[in-house]
Amino acid sequence: EVQLVESGGGLVQPGGSLRLSCAASGFTFSSYWMTWVRQAPGKGLQWVANIKEDGSEKYYVDSVKGRFTISRDNVKKSLYLQMNSLRAEDTAVYYCARGSYSAQGIPAAGIIDHWGQGTQVTVSS
Amino acid sequence: DIQMTQSPSSLSASVGDRVTITCQASQDISNYLNWYQQKPGKAPKLLIYDASNLETGVPSRFSGSGFGTDFTFTISSLQPEDIATYFCQQYDDLLPEITFGGGTKVEIK
Repeated sequence: EVQLVESGGGLVQPGGSLRLSCAASGFTFSSYWMTWVRQAPGKGLQWVANIKEDGSEKYYVDSVKGRFTISRDNVKKSLYLQMNSLRAEDTAVYYCARGSYSAQGIPAAGIIDHWGQGTQVTVSS
Repeated sequence: DIQMTQSPSSLSASVGDRVTITCQASQDISNYLNWYQQKPGKAPKLLIYDASNLETGVPSRFSGSGFGTDFTFTISSLQPEDIATYFCQQYDDLLPEITFGGGTKVEIK
């Protein structure tokens, strides 16, 4: 069974930092794109960042570029999100998620087939 | 950047009704369009991928169609357990950036 378990969320002051972690199990972690998606209170879903299977490619939404860094450790089967210079508008539940494969068997970062339960990040003074 | 316009933002229907949600992309996205269901306090769940493919284990009353810029998601016969918010989501096969629609909250009348 695929499992994604996030940790590291919490309350942080504006300008502060947090590092989110996601422990993966039940699948070959090194064979999948991984993604962070967030959801502000009462709002919709927003893609934050994703990372290729081997970590060689990383992509970010414009609003977090230069502040957030996505990384992974395929030996530890873990995904990370280092968040610096946090702002009030970063307050959200952060989901760790797995990219699937297309019907043609090609890795598809954009087809998100498994999600973690989410971890709450609150940026407030 | 590609924008996704989803409508309606909410709807109320009776059990057994046919429910339709639309999603329009600001430019041609081929069939790179997925649909998710999110129940309150839970993570989203993939229902339809690549516009019309039903994810394994998803009931057949859910379906999707469309290509290019206009897409439709349908629940053929609304069930009480289908109460949720539904999101469309586009992706790019060359540059893996992702955009979600604004969501449609489905309620029972």
